[in-house]
Amino acid sequence: GENVEQHPSTLSVQEGDSAVIKCTYSDSASNYFPWYKQELGKRPQLIIDIRSNVGEKKDQRIAVTLNKTAKHFSLHITETQPEDSAVYFCAASRYSTLTFGKGTMLLVSP
Amino acid sequence: AAGVIQSPRHLIKEKRETATLKCYPIPRHDTVYWYQQGPGQDPQFLISFYEKMQSDKGSIPDRFSAQQFSDYHSELNMSSLELGDSALYFCASSLDLPRQSGELFFGEGSRLTVL
Repeated sequence: GENVEQHPSTLSVQEGDSAVIKCTYSDSASNYFPWYKQELGKRPQLIIDIRSNVGEKKDQRIAVTLNKTAKHFSLHITETQPEDSAVYFCAASRYSTLTFGKGTMLLVSP
Repeated sequence: AAGVIQSPRHLIKEKRETATLKCYPIPRHDTVYWYQQGPGQDPQFLISFYEKMQSDKGSIPDRFSAQQFSDYHSELNMSSLELGDSALYFCASSLDLPRQSGELFFGEGSRLTVL
């Protein structure tokens, strides 16, 4: 089955800095790569996703890049704000079942 | 817009008891998923249903079972509960395109505490 590795496990940045979270996946047939933000005790919420026919996608301060050859994808958050503090999960799927990475706790200090 | 509805939101049980969680997917979504998330962990896939048939199975213990009914709601039944079953249980639904994953919409989750 699919295996998703996510790094780093914790990331601390100052407000206004950029944050980058990286993930690798094992199944070369995976074709859908969403990123979720989860606050403590809340449900995961989709913040951006990318499909295998696209190399990069951007939505305001958030961007995701995908390198299918290397089987890795990254989340980039620019101009971070304290409200960006949360756990971020990457995930990968081939047809429908998502396999999640272990998560990255992002702490943005004012 | 309608979201995924889960009930109950909180549940406290004793060891060896039984629990049932319910999930009502977004109308017209054809796939329902169940995930288990322990404290500080990533969501672990348990089981999914497509058009009321089991479509995929993950790390669901034999003590657990699930089904999807004719009205598309799904129930997760957990028996002989253990302390380690304490977790947040998320239901999610999606509308899958041919050979493509659809976006998963998660419910608020059901927090199960086993004492």
